[in-house]
Amino acid sequence: GEDVEQSLFLSVREGDSSVINCTYTDSSSTYLYWYKQEPGAGLQLLTYIFSNMDMKQDQRLTVLLNKKDKHLSLRIADTQTGDSAIYFCAERKGGGNKLTFGTGTQLKVEL
Amino acid sequence: GAVVSQHPSWVICKSGTSVKIECRSLDFQATTMFWYRQFPKQSLMLMATSNEGSKATYEQGVEKDKFLINHASLTLSTLTVTSAHPEDSSFYICSAPSGIADNEQFFGPGTRLTVL
Repeated sequence: GEDVEQSLFLSVREGDSSVINCTYTDSSSTYLYWYKQEPGAGLQLLTYIFSNMDMKQDQRLTVLLNKKDKHLSLRIADTQTGDSAIYFCAERKGGGNKLTFGTGTQLKVEL
Repeated sequence: GAVVSQHPSWVICKSGTSVKIECRSLDFQATTMFWYRQFPKQSLMLMATSNEGSKATYEQGVEKDKFLINHASLTLSTLTVTSAHPEDSSFYICSAPSGIADNEQFFGPGTRLTVL
């Protein structure tokens, strides 16, 4: 199976919080990332967390890392229609710069 | 954050022709760049690591003679799809690491290749 897994689709109402989950399998991952991809575009780096951290907050974004369970989540507060996109988590394994991407979660924000 | 550009943003070509895609780091230098391929509604698959001044490193299953990579300077890597066929049609995206210990990786806007 995939090294990094995500649920395929999430629908939320505007103004609610969104939580996108990701599970990975490699305990040697050093950094974990969240990227946003809008249709026909490249990937925008949203945030990342070092593996020795449990949480990182950046404005509306909160990343939680449970290293024991190899679980990563991205919470978007006050979700807006402009947040509609595909969100990818990615892991960087120890010693290199290569990233392994998750399957992507399509976030749809409804009015 | 750092900016990575790609050119062209989209290209349509006939089967059997070769297509070159450029990836540039605009405001930083990159000794390493990465080339990915993305099929519709799928994740990114790493094709190869482009190394400035040396040979590229290809992932398993990627034909090095089909996808030629040249990293001639610290700001430019090129991917040439040789003798393109319809199954090569895809979205090709490059990235380059930057920041402390290269902990941030920035992506280009992608190139949509359609082979007729």
